[in-house]
Amino acid sequence: EIVLTQSPDTLSLSPGDRAALSCRASRSVNSNYIAWYQQKRGQAPRLLIFGSSRRATGIPDRFSVSGSGTDFTLAINRLEPEDFAVYYCQQYEASPRTFGPGTRVEIK
Amino acid sequence: QVQLQESGPGLVKPSQTLSLTCTVSGVSINRSTYYWTWIRQPAGKGLEWIGRIYLSGTTNYNPSLQTRVTMSLDTSKNQFSLRLDSVTAADTAIYYCARDPGYYYGRGPLEDWGQGTLVTVSA
Repeated sequence: EIVLTQSPDTLSLSPGDRAALSCRASRSVNSNYIAWYQQKRGQAPRLLIFGSSRRATGIPDRFSVSGSGTDFTLAINRLEPEDFAVYYCQQYEASPRTFGPGTRVEIK
Repeated sequence: QVQLQESGPGLVKPSQTLSLTCTVSGVSINRSTYYWTWIRQPAGKGLEWIGRIYLSGTTNYNPSLQTRVTMSLDTSKNQFSLRLDSVTAADTAIYYCARDPGYYYGRGPLEDWGQGTLVTVSA
């Protein structure tokens, strides 16, 4: 099983700041098979980005990803109030699919 | 637009069977090439992939749950289902159904999710 770790656990930022969220895999994963999700309190997760920077429908371009191998980063430029949430990475290269434990982006 | 809705009992007794159904709208299960997936999330914790089922009936289960999980399709009702046997308090969670488009040789992200349903295991 591919184990994903995310850091930091919590990121305290202000609107307008840039966020950088890290996802590390226990073994190399093709970047085409990494996805990122956003989850707000009381809601289901929502797909943000997958398959080497493909944004899901309606996701603004202030969300971007980078990385390869075992280290991946989700960047959020110019944080908007609606961006404060929990973010999960997921690998879908191997079974079982696995998720990271999440990074909470909170208002400073 | 694909929509998914989970349904089933919100309370299950220990050692009994948890049964949930996901009703799909906006696409016909028997005409799609999607993988229909279940995920769960204990309160305040992260996401666990339970498994998925394809139109052919092919399933992939998480090894951690494989001995207790069964997934099935009902194409006449455009639904798919989850059965989890011998539940304990550790199975208490929000259960989500989702659609995996399987873009790359059967691999895909989870593009659409149901709103989730809370299942509590308690006597």
